[in-house]
Parts: sequence; C-alpha cells; structure tokens
Amino acid sequence: AQTVTQSQPEMSVQEAETVTLSCTYDTSENNYYLFWYKQPPSRQMILVIRQEAYKQQNATENRFSVNFQKAAKSFSLKISDSQLGDTAMYFCAFMKQVDKLIFGTGTRLQVFP
Amino acid sequence: GAVVSQHPSWVICKSGTSVKIECRSLDFQATTMFWYRQFPKQSLMLMATSNEGSKATYEQGVEKDKFLINHASLTLSTLTVTSAHPEDSSFYICSARGGLAGYEQYFGPGTRLTVT
Repeated sequence: AQTVTQSQPEMSVQEAETVTLSCTYDTSENNYYLFWYKQPPSRQMILVIRQEAYKQQNATENRFSVNFQKAAKSFSLKISDSQLGDTAMYFCAFMKQVDKLIFGTGTRLQVFP
Repeated sequence: GAVVSQHPSWVICKSGTSVKIECRSLDFQATTMFWYRQFPKQSLMLMATSNEGSKATYEQGVEKDKFLINHASLTLSTLTVTSAHPEDSSFYICSARGGLAGYEQYFGPGTRLTVT
C-alpha cells in the first residue's frame, strides 16, 4: 500500500523568505502523480502544484516549486518570497494512475511579518 | 473552470435524525466523485468513491449503511448521514473528477456538520 509522510507538523517563515516543506512517499508503482494542496483557514482545498512521475523536470508555479527525487521517493515544496497569504495547512498527496488520492498528515505553515 | 459546490456549507441536526449533503460539479461532468471526512487539525480521510450510475465503493471501516452515497447524475452526488450521532460531527468535503479535468480532483468548499 502507498503511504505519504510529512515529517514537519509545523513550520514558520518570515515574510519574503523561502521555506521548504518535506514529503516522502512509499510505492512500488512506476507511473503516478504527486500533488501539493493548500488548505487555508477557509478550509477550501486548493491545488498548489502537481508533478507527473514520468517527467524528470521539476514542476514550478510562480513562487512554488518542487524538488522531485524519484529514486529517493521525495517530493518537497519550496515556497519563495513567502507571503502572509501563504499561511495554511499544506498537504502532500500521491495518486497512482487515475485513482484515489492518498494524503499526508499535513504541515501547518505560519508566515509572520 | 472546474468548480465544485457543496450545500449546505454548515448544518446542525439533532441526534437520531438524518442529514443530506449535496455535491455538484458546476461546469464539467464528474464521472467520479469522492467524499472525505476531516477532523480538526487532521488530514482528509477518504470515505468513499462513487462513479455515476454505480454503487459507491467505501473505504475500510466506513459504515455504508450509515453514510449513504448516491451519484445519480454526472453533476450531482449526495451524502446522507443516517441516524446521526454527536461523533458524526465533522467537516465533510467532496471532490470531483472527469471530463476535461482529466485525472485531477477538484474540491468543494466543505460542509460542517454538528450533531447535538
């Protein structure tokens, strides 16, 4: 069975600084998808970034980028130029083929002025 | 595009009664919908997966007679919590996948259920 581990329950960063959230996963699949979701206090789940396992190039979306290490089964999220609006819970998620999402336990990120 | 709505956004019901939560895909046809439960400061727990016109597939440990899921159309799925008890109080989130959305799931805003 696939598992997703987020080892950082809480993180904090100063506004405009850079922070990296860690995620590791376990799978025997070769083709799969990885995601980072943001859940702000409104509790609406928002997709931050996605990565297809067959792509070697790391995904980027504006200030958000990932470091995807397939062999190490690691998928970290880097947030550059942190903003107060980035304060939220961040969930790493795994999906094999077109299947259900498996979420990590989440990392609570606090951005302070 | 790819908007999912839930109704109601919050509901309070008395113990022993049933409550229905609706999940709608507003601008795409959702061939698959998912229902999650989330306790405070915890992750999302998948309850069940439903495909349009088929019976829902429940995750291990989820009582299918208590949490009735219906996916009667490509834009609507409902979750009915039957004979609700205070321990059913939680935040319920649906997501939908299908059409041009491809493999990605789009999430509704959630429903807060409080059973008194």
